Amino acid sequence: DQQVKQNSPSLSVQEGRISILNCDYTNSMFDYFLWYKKYPAEGPTFLISISSIKDKNEDGRFTVFLNKSAKHLSLHIVPSQPGDSAVYFCAASAGTSGTYKYIFGTGTRLKVLA
Amino acid sequence: DAGVTQSPTHLIKTRGQQVTLRCSPKSGHDTVSWYQQALGQGPQFIFQYYEEEERQRGNFPDRFSGHQFPNYSSELNVNALLLGDSALYLCASRSWGGLQPQHFGDGTRLSIL
Repeated sequence: DQQVKQNSPSLSVQEGRISILNCDYTNSMFDYFLWYKKYPAEGPTFLISISSIKDKNEDGRFTVFLNKSAKHLSLHIVPSQPGDSAVYFCAASAGTSGTYKYIFGTGTRLKVLA
Repeated sequence: DAGVTQSPTHLIKTRGQQVTLRCSPKSGHDTVSWYQQALGQGPQFIFQYYEEEERQRGNFPDRFSGHQFPNYSSELNVNALLLGDSALYLCASRSWGGLQPQHFGDGTRLSIL
């Protein structure tokens, strides 16, 4: 039962353009969502998060949008840079404070073309 | 400020053996979680430790066990290794309570022959 889904295994974008990565979830109890970036031979690096009380969160070139009614979130990267090429994972969690476990999607490989 | 550190980086074992992986959390963090990442998949939650107790567990058999020490570092033990246990094992840390992200180490690549 895949509670968090990333339906696009890969995405190619031209440098300077917008990258949009999508994620869908099924569990309505999820209340905290995150995006991680992963380079080969490294652990996931935290990018940005959003709680369920918000519908948008921005941090520099990265913006996460949350649509609770559609159970959908997306990560926008503007402008995209070659160094953004990596695998991006969305993750979701639910529960009382402290006992969060993250449920991850299967990842989307982003390639930014120079 | 050291981040999450894991050892060893790589490990090769044979079926039936036992393995211990180690993790030191990021400075200031007291909660450690372990994840298994198979090839082409996202990380899967194994368990979480806080105050030296297992607080939450994912869908993994009892062959997977752990420990947290008073200095917040943690170990993951896997007994009776199976070929399917070959994966990247990731440790993540955070401070207990509140909405904040976990920070991951670079993982231990475990290969079972």
